[in-house]
Amino acid sequence: ETGVTQTPRHLVMGMTNKKSLKCEQHLGHNAMYWYKQSAKKPLELMFVYSLEERVENNSVPSRFSPECPNSSHLFLHLHTLQPEDSALYLCASSPGQGNSPLHFGNGTRLTVT
Amino acid sequence: RKEVEQDPGPFNVPEGATVAFNCTYSNSASQSFFWYRQDCRKEPKLLMSVYSSGNEDGRFTAQLNRASQYISLLIRDSKLSDSATYLCVVNLYNQGGKLIFGQGTELSVKP
Repeated sequence: ETGVTQTPRHLVMGMTNKKSLKCEQHLGHNAMYWYKQSAKKPLELMFVYSLEERVENNSVPSRFSPECPNSSHLFLHLHTLQPEDSALYLCASSPGQGNSPLHFGNGTRLTVT
Repeated sequence: RKEVEQDPGPFNVPEGATVAFNCTYSNSASQSFFWYRQDCRKEPKLLMSVYSSGNEDGRFTAQLNRASQYISLLIRDSKLSDSATYLCVVNLYNQGGKLIFGQGTELSVKP
């Protein structure tokens, strides 16, 4: 399997649930990212990990908690979300941080009820 | 001023038309520029990296104007399959290379 894989593809959760999004990359990249894409808005960078160390946290609410156990895996743990958190969550990786283009996973479409 | 701003869409063009998108960026320290394509309900995919001398890939031509801080994408001989949203992406070199996405320009190519 190659590229960037995200699971699940779709997720519906209540505001009191706890769930996790998973991302795996098979490209040998050193940087991984979480982006949020809401309808009619630009992609918003949430978190950046470079060599498993978090280097960017764009003032994301604490109900979103990232985890990067190794350079191939990235998780986004979700708890007590709000309906406005419903969006497409995209994971991406790149060889290094900054000048390299991003390779995206196919995203998790999240609906919070 | 937004960090990355694109032509508002949508662009509706007939097959075979030539269409151009513009994108302006506010950070003069930006060094890397990309165009991505995003199909409806799919992830963005890299279309082209934009080099300072401009570059061409088949029907697609990207150009960079550093003095005016804009990037353009030209599509010649539009195909139905070119219908998508085109995203301009710029890195913020003085902010650790963070990549910033424009809001996208939607293109619809009609028969």
